Amino acid sequence: QVQLQESGPGLVKPSQTLSLTCTVSGGSISSGGYYWSWIRQHPGKGLEWIGYSYYTGSTYYNPSLKSRVTISVDTSKNQFSLKLSSVTAADTAVYYCAREGGQHLDYWGQGTLVTVSS
Amino acid sequence: EIVMTQSPATLSVSPGERATLSCRASQSVSSNLAWYQQKPGQAPRLLIYGASTRATGIPARFSGSGSGTEFSLTISSLQSEDFAVYYCQQYNNWPRTFGGGTKVEIK
Repeated sequence: QVQLQESGPGLVKPSQTLSLTCTVSGGSISSGGYYWSWIRQHPGKGLEWIGYSYYTGSTYYNPSLKSRVTISVDTSKNQFSLKLSSVTAADTAVYYCAREGGQHLDYWGQGTLVTVSS
Repeated sequence: EIVMTQSPATLSVSPGERATLSCRASQSVSSNLAWYQQKPGQAPRLLIYGASTRATGIPARFSGSGSGTEFSLTISSLQSEDFAVYYCQQYNNWPRTFGGGTKVEIK
């Protein structure tokens, strides 16, 4: 059973960089075939897809966030990470990591709330 | 990007009744559509993919239909655990996009 778990600071100051890590267990990131994805959900709102990284390091980002987002994988640790720069209060959200098999998102982390505030 | 529009925003249904949720895409996504269920404080859970295929462990009372731009999710007889928010998502194009959600509440 694949499991994903997000970790990282729950509070980030405005203009700084949000950094989160997703640890994958029950399966290997380097086995291929999956897009390791990040999705966020603003408080009380819907879901926003942020982007993915493939195990090779290939990435695709939502154009709305592209200038500020970096997603990378560390196959040695079976982790992938999200960095979002120059954050504002509008980036306050629950951030989810998830696995996509080129289709649907079949496994999700439990989510982690990141608040942007001074 | 493809815009996904769900209706209604809120659906009030009595337990045991049938619920039908709609999802429309701004352009064709073929059958590359998934439905997710989200309960308060939880991550979304995959219900349906390929527009009509139930994910592992999903009860038969959940069914999906449609293709192209018009899709629906039907819950044949609502159980107490089905009251939640439901999202559709297209995976035909990048970026992936979600609908705004339909909240199914107890009438």
